[in-house]
Amino acid sequence: GAGVSQSPSNKVTEKGKDVELRCDPISGHTALYWYRQSLGQGLEFLIYFQGNSAPDKSGLPSDRFSAERTGGSVSTLTIQRTQQEDSAVYLCASSLGQRNEKLFFGSGTQLSVL
Amino acid sequence: RKEVEQDPGPFNVPEGATVAFNCTYSNSASQSFFWYRQDCRKEPKLLMSVYSSGNEDGRFTAQLNRASQYISLLIRDSKLSDSATYLCVVENAGNMLTFGGGTRLMVKP
Repeated sequence: GAGVSQSPSNKVTEKGKDVELRCDPISGHTALYWYRQSLGQGLEFLIYFQGNSAPDKSGLPSDRFSAERTGGSVSTLTIQRTQQEDSAVYLCASSLGQRNEKLFFGSGTQLSVL
Repeated sequence: RKEVEQDPGPFNVPEGATVAFNCTYSNSASQSFFWYRQDCRKEPKLLMSVYSSGNEDGRFTAQLNRASQYISLLIRDSKLSDSATYLCVVENAGNMLTFGGGTRLMVKP
């Protein structure tokens, strides 16, 4: 596609439910990043993929969070047993994966846990 | 200490003013540096890369001070449309990109 696509754009769920957030990066981009942004705050790094591999999972806040990437393309971020503190905008970005490369962001998924 | 730190602001300036933001980083081995702009409820977008020799793009000037481990962004002749949050980004080994918390700028008529 022309840009990074994320779905859904909004997700409202009940505490304790599982959610899946999807990111479709720009075609040919090998690097894919997930960030989380709470209202009025900066971007919190979650996980980074180079191809299908995740060299750095250190940002995942707990074992309820997991992510995968298949075919070097689409990535899914899964949050199990959601908690209210998981409410935030989840942003995905992709790049060509070289040093000093520009990040292209999707418009994010607004997750609200009631 | 956070890896990338910014003054959250807000910086309230009149139109036409010159304003500057700094950003400090803790990893002396950091390789690349960027400024991103984020409008309210929008995704961040690259404003400019920051080169060792400093670089200028119109009204915007970015500089890097490796010795003191900070980067700066200078905006001259501020416009109302410059109102946004400016995010400092540092790239470390392995293409790891860390964002600062952002500095909010509000340009008033």
